[in-house]
Amino acid sequence: DVKVTQSSRYLVKRTGEKVFLECVQDMDHENMFWYRQDPGLGLRLIYFSYDVKMKEKGDIPEGYSVSREKKERFSLILESASTNQTSMYLCASRGSLKGYTFGSGTRLTVV
Amino acid sequence: AQSVTQPDIHITVSEGASLELRCNYSYGATPYLFWYVQSPGQGLQLLLKYFSGDTLVQGIKGFEAEFKRSQSSFNLRKPSVHWSDAAEYFCAVGADNNDMRFGAGTRLTVKP
Repeated sequence: DVKVTQSSRYLVKRTGEKVFLECVQDMDHENMFWYRQDPGLGLRLIYFSYDVKMKEKGDIPEGYSVSREKKERFSLILESASTNQTSMYLCASRGSLKGYTFGSGTRLTVV
Repeated sequence: AQSVTQPDIHITVSEGASLELRCNYSYGATPYLFWYVQSPGQGLQLLLKYFSGDTLVQGIKGFEAEFKRSQSSFNLRKPSVHWSDAAEYFCAVGADNNDMRFGAGTRLTVKP
């Protein structure tokens, strides 16, 4: 089975810090995605990538950036964390449309 | 752009009762439709998906969903709910070479 691993389950960061959320997949998938999940809002797409060094903005990219230097790794970066970025962050990987697989999520708290 | 509406934020059913979770979508072409389940503290698990063909789709854990193009709906059903089905359920729509969009989710509570 495809495995998507998010490096941290829980993170607590201070306002203004630069935060890196890491995601690694082990099935050579080209497509990777970052979503944030908030109560009552479901999952909202932040950024996605169709290939190494390629990135596309999703619906809510403001305050975030991403890095895809290697095919298996897709990093989400909060340039200067703010309290409104406290959320659950979910990474997903897709080899074909039928193959979306999600990581377990990182719950980020910004204080 | 595609969008998904789940009209029910929270549903409570008794164990053993039937369940239907509603999902309506908006998309210009034939959509690919999904239902995911998320247990507390967990990631999302795919329950079932529809791409084409038979409009009644069977999934894991005894769930099924029916695609109704005329109603732009993809409702999830289960004939008899178990306590372990308590979770949050997300409907999603996608298309080939395109990313997925999710509904806001429906939280299911199961009463003993």
